[in-house]
Amino acid sequence: KQEVTQIPAALSVPEGENLVLNCSFTDSAIYNLQWFRQDPGKGLTSLLLIQSSQREQTSGRLNASLDKSSGRSTLYIAASQPGDSATYLCAVGGGTRSYIPTFGRGTSLIVHP
Amino acid sequence: KAGVTQTPRYLIKTRGQQVTLSCSPISGHRSVSWYQQTPGQGLQFLFEYFSETQRNKGNFPGRFSGRQFSNSRSEMNVSTLELGDSALYLCASSYSREGPLNEQFFGPGTRLTVL
Repeated sequence: KQEVTQIPAALSVPEGENLVLNCSFTDSAIYNLQWFRQDPGKGLTSLLLIQSSQREQTSGRLNASLDKSSGRSTLYIAASQPGDSATYLCAVGGGTRSYIPTFGRGTSLIVHP
Repeated sequence: KAGVTQTPRYLIKTRGQQVTLSCSPISGHRSVSWYQQTPGQGLQFLFEYFSETQRNKGNFPGRFSGRQFSNSRSEMNVSTLELGDSALYLCASSYSREGPLNEQFFGPGTRLTVL
């Protein structure tokens, strides 16, 4: 059964810092990995999707990497802003005999001015 | 292009009742997935429908069921509600045939409270 762990669970940083959020998974036979952002009480917003054959994806100040063999992904946020405050969720797509996504518990990020 | 819409946004029910939630996917998306999000268990996959057929199912009891209509709109039903069913129920749609294994777009969710 696929298990996804996100570290740290919470993070509070001053504006302008560069951040690294971590996601690890136990079954490397994945189809893809997706990073989401969730604001309190709201739905999820897709940030980046990395297919299993890719190593990284970039969008603006966000960069996500994937190392399938070691079961790890990182989300790098450059020059953080207060508007980045949210919970960041990692979703691993599939696994051995699995065709559904498994979500981590998320990293709750606060960026203070 | 309109996003995924879910109705109602908030719902209060009592134990033993049943509830139906609705989800309208993005136009052209044929895959609709449902998720339950609670503080204790996080976000968990319920089931996925594609072209009116349930293709994937998570590990939830039979009280949780769903269906999809020919216009891709989907409904989720929970019968004999329990206190533990209180949660944010999220719907996601996907254009891809891989459904939940590819890029998904989420709705705002329905907040269900069971008293």
